[in-house]
Amino acid sequence: DGGITQSPKYLFRKEGQNVTLSCEQNLNHDAMYWYRQDPGQGLRLIYYSQIVNDFQKGDIAEGYSVSREKKESFPLTVTSAQKNPTAFYLCASSGTSGLEQYFGPGTRLTVT
Amino acid sequence: QKEVEQDPGPLSVPEGAIVSLNCTYSNSAFQYFMWYRQYSRKGPELLMYTYSSGNKEDGRFTAQVDKSSKYISLFIRDSQPSDSATYLCAMSGIMKKTSYDKVIFGPGTSLSVIP
Repeated sequence: DGGITQSPKYLFRKEGQNVTLSCEQNLNHDAMYWYRQDPGQGLRLIYYSQIVNDFQKGDIAEGYSVSREKKESFPLTVTSAQKNPTAFYLCASSGTSGLEQYFGPGTRLTVT
Repeated sequence: QKEVEQDPGPLSVPEGAIVSLNCTYSNSAFQYFMWYRQYSRKGPELLMYTYSSGNKEDGRFTAQVDKSSKYISLFIRDSQPSDSATYLCAMSGIMKKTSYDKVIFGPGTSLSVIP
């Protein structure tokens, strides 16, 4: 089955620790995205990548980092610099137009 | 003013009702309009997308765009309990192969269809 997988589904961390969220796709999509979803707010773009070895900051990139070494993978690291990291994180991928984005199941990160 | 606004609900309707979900936006450059459905604790899934103004129908779902009013709607006919979810509108400008004109998402409307 083609799709996007994110792991883990739930993640708990102590404040001050970096944590990496996994995102893998087998849709052969060039573009991949990371969004953050908070209650009552739309999805906010953290980072996106249109091609391997290249990525761009989104609207709320501060405190996050990414890499795109392989077409299928786009891991997101939430660093200790992120002031309010507790949220639901969604990874997506699309063709080059960026219109039809396919989302993974999400990772719920709780930092205490 | 937010770029995309959506009534957060929650909206509760009886099974079989016609549901109207709406979004307004401020950026006249938006050309592509999408509707996503998101079940609780899941990722969103794309329901439909339309280009510019007009209607598009897919089964029980109809998407309507009125660019002159900067207003889009999603109608669900014969609503089912399985339609209970949060519905997100999303929109974007002109898509180019060489650059990404990001998709802007609304905050979502929560819908419950009561059997």
